[in-house]
Amino acid sequence: NAGVTQTPKFQVLKTGQSMTLQCAQDMNHEYMSWYRQDPGMGLRLIHYSVGAGITDQGEVPNGYNVSRSTTEDFPLRLLSAAPSQTSVYFCASSYSRGQLTSTGELFFGEGSRLTVL
Amino acid sequence: DAKTTQPPSMDCAEGRAANLPCNHSTISGNEYVYWYRQIHSQGPQYIIHGLKNNETNEMASLIITEDRKSSTLILPHATLRDTAVYYCIVTLRGLTGGGNKLTFGTGTQLKVEL
Repeated sequence: NAGVTQTPKFQVLKTGQSMTLQCAQDMNHEYMSWYRQDPGMGLRLIHYSVGAGITDQGEVPNGYNVSRSTTEDFPLRLLSAAPSQTSVYFCASSYSRGQLTSTGELFFGEGSRLTVL
Repeated sequence: DAKTTQPPSMDCAEGRAANLPCNHSTISGNEYVYWYRQIHSQGPQYIIHGLKNNETNEMASLIITEDRKSSTLILPHATLRDTAVYYCIVTLRGLTGGGNKLTFGTGTQLKVEL
């Protein structure tokens, strides 16, 4: 298994540009989520999804959109990038209730480093 | 979710046990204690979790006090590769309880030195 795969690993945008951070997992996890991490701070939850077709907001959702059309993919869209969105973005997935195991363990990707000029 | 308090940094000599403390005095009866670590800005990695009994796996041991208001993560023989930020998280377990929506604080920066 590849686990959780994020692309791109690095991206530079200009203010106002749009882009999509991709996240894919091959573990058949129902739960997926996006976090951002700023220097010297912990991870903050942006959006999450408990299954295909279902998404919800986390702690810092403003400026980001998500959709979940398949179990495997959970893209994060920035519609009009702002310098305040310069950050490292992590995608994570886990089993959820109803699957064979549910330890609450999150599996993280390696991160996408975004700079908005 | 209950709030946790961790020291911002700790040092440990290689080969010695690293004992990382965490206070969670407002923990409720059905909340679990989770530990993750993050090595040099990589994605966080799950280490261990527990409810009230002590737990051990191939990576670490988790000691939870009887009143559950604090816990200690023990790395029995720390190596240089254990240098990382360690996060203690208290949360409900399972989907509807929000256990998947982990809240990460700033953690403890553990530095393992020769």
